Amino acid sequence: EVQLLESGGGLVQPGGSLRLSCVASGFPFDNYDINWVRQAPGKGLEWVAGISGIGTIPYIPDSEKGRFSISRDNSKNTVYFQMNNLRAEDTAVYFCSKTLSVGSHWFDPWGQGTLVTVSS
Amino acid sequence: EIVLTQSPAALSLSPGERATLSCRASQSVSSLLAWFQHKPGQAPRLLIYDASNRATGIPTRFSGSGSGTDFTLTISSLEPEDFAVYYCQQRSDWVTFGGGTKVEMK
Repeated sequence: EVQLLESGGGLVQPGGSLRLSCVASGFPFDNYDINWVRQAPGKGLEWVAGISGIGTIPYIPDSEKGRFSISRDNSKNTVYFQMNNLRAEDTAVYFCSKTLSVGSHWFDPWGQGTLVTVSS
Repeated sequence: EIVLTQSPAALSLSPGERATLSCRASQSVSSLLAWFQHKPGQAPRLLIYDASNRATGIPTRFSGSGSGTDFTLTISSLEPEDFAVYYCQQRSDWVTFGGGTKVEMK
């Protein structure tokens, strides 16, 4: 069974940093892209980062390239999402997901999410 | 950035009724569009990809259509478990999501 488990969320002060982890199992991890999508309270879904399986190429929206980074350790079946200089508007549940198939860009399945709260 | 506009924002229907959800893109995304179902406290679930392909395990009452800029998700006969928020997502140019349509029980 494919499983994705996010961790690392919590309460952090504005300006602080946090590293989220996504541990995967049940599929050949290094072949698949992994993405992060967040949902702020009462808001919709927003893609924030991705990393390719083959080549481990990171993808970060231009608006966040200075604050967010993504990496993976295929030996640990884990993707890391580093967020720096956090703001109140980064408060959200952060989900990781794998791609539907090798070479696909559709997100399936997703983990249950980890909550990040940015507040003083 | 490609903006996806979903309508209506909310839909109030009864079980057994047909639901028709719309997603309009600010520029053509060809068929590179997906639909997700999201319930509170749960992981989003992929329903449809490439505009019209049902994901594995998705009931046949869910269908997707459209190409270019106009897309539709149809739920032919609502089941109690279908009341949720539905999002469209494009991958033609990076990734963006629509604002969602909440399907609520009348």
